Amino acid sequence: NAGVMQNPRHLVRRRGQEARLRCSPMKGHSHVYWYRQLPEEGLKFMVYLQKENIIDESGMPKERFSAEFPKEGPSILRIQQVVRGDSAAYFCASSPPVGSGANVLTFGAGSRLTVL
Amino acid sequence: GESVGLHLPTLSVQEGDNSIINCAYSNSASDYFIWYKQESGKGPQFIIDIRSNMDKRQGQRVTVLLNKTVKHLSLQIAATQPGDSAVYFCAEMGAGTASKLTFGTGTRLQVTL
Repeated sequence: NAGVMQNPRHLVRRRGQEARLRCSPMKGHSHVYWYRQLPEEGLKFMVYLQKENIIDESGMPKERFSAEFPKEGPSILRIQQVVRGDSAAYFCASSPPVGSGANVLTFGAGSRLTVL
Repeated sequence: GESVGLHLPTLSVQEGDNSIINCAYSNSASDYFIWYKQESGKGPQFIIDIRSNMDKRQGQRVTVLLNKTVKHLSLQIAATQPGDSAVYFCAEMGAGTASKLTFGTGTRLQVTL
């Protein structure tokens, strides 16, 4: 049973380009979360999605950032017109359906974005 | 001993000693708490959790203590090993927040031989 799979592991972009980060949840998990981590800091919540639905995007910047979790395929975090301040590690986590008795989030290995 | 570095607080412990990592949480409505371990270049890994109706929970070599009165959480690691070296985060979840975790700042544990 593969864990949470994220790709790419490392991504380098120039200012103004677009970054797309992908996340495939664990098998049987229907909830996906995205977190951002700056060096030497904790993880900051960005967005929580279920299939085809954004449940909570209270941590997403108002501009340039978007997330989706389509019916088929991985969840995607998209950052348009990247700036140097977007350089960070972006972690995806997944969890089973609410009410399943287990709400522990399982994290992927992260995608490290570097903006030149 | 414990020291505060430029960024993450760091706890240095000798191999074989017990480690205690502390965390203060902010939301009195939080009812579920998790400790995660993060090794360099990796994602956070679940260690142990505790619900607010408990004040202590034990796992293999790890114990979590919860003091709701002062909103304090601690992680105790018995017989610390070099493989325990990592950054440790506490995370809290409030009732009705649909599994949204709020992470603490983190503590770096350094195990010396």
